[in-house]
Amino acid sequence: QVTLKESGPGILQPSQTLSLTCTFSGFSLSTYGMGVGWIRQPSGKGLEWLANIWWDDDKYYNPSLKNRLTISKDTSNNQAFLKITNVDTADTATYYCARILGAAPFDYWGQGVMVTVSS
Amino acid sequence: DIVMTQTPSSQAVSAGEKVTMSCKSSQSLLYSENKKNYLAWYQQKPGQSPKLLISWASTRESGVPDRFIGSGSGTDFTLTISSVQAEDLAVYYCEQYYDTPWTFGGGTKLELK
Repeated sequence: QVTLKESGPGILQPSQTLSLTCTFSGFSLSTYGMGVGWIRQPSGKGLEWLANIWWDDDKYYNPSLKNRLTISKDTSNNQAFLKITNVDTADTATYYCARILGAAPFDYWGQGVMVTVSS
Repeated sequence: DIVMTQTPSSQAVSAGEKVTMSCKSSQSLLYSENKKNYLAWYQQKPGQSPKLLISWASTRESGVPDRFIGSGSGTDFTLTISSVQAEDLAVYYCEQYYDTPWTFGGGTKLELK
């Protein structure tokens, strides 16, 4: 059974760094073709893909976030991470992590974690 | 970036009705080497995370009712619900995974008439 769960700070101030953790089970990020992605959704709005990390540590980022993103993984502990530097109110959203298998889309999603950026 | 455009943005439906919604991409999602369209459909109910319904434009995920039908190729795609049920009221998103950045459409919200 594949499950993913996101965790984060809940609230942070502008200019701080947002650190998110995705803890998953039912698959391994050391398996060939496996990946984890991060997607966010402001309240009442659409979905925005942020970044993917793959079993071989290959990484892809959304260029719209202008080098503010860093994705990483801890294969031993079944976790993936996302850092977003220099946050502002526009980064307020629910952040999801999701599994990718091969060249396919996100097949399993976490429940999401709400992050609010406010002074 | 590949732009995904979904229409309509919302649609009022009655139970039992046939529903179609459109998703158009700004460039072809058909990969010539494997003849696959890199297009997915997700369903998101209020307060829930998105759920993958269809991948490769027309392949239903395991457990997805057969009233959900994905079709299309290249740049024009359609999600059809053959007979809408009350539990289908949700927002539906298309997504291209042909090229990074992966992009989503703005969504089609199904509401009760």
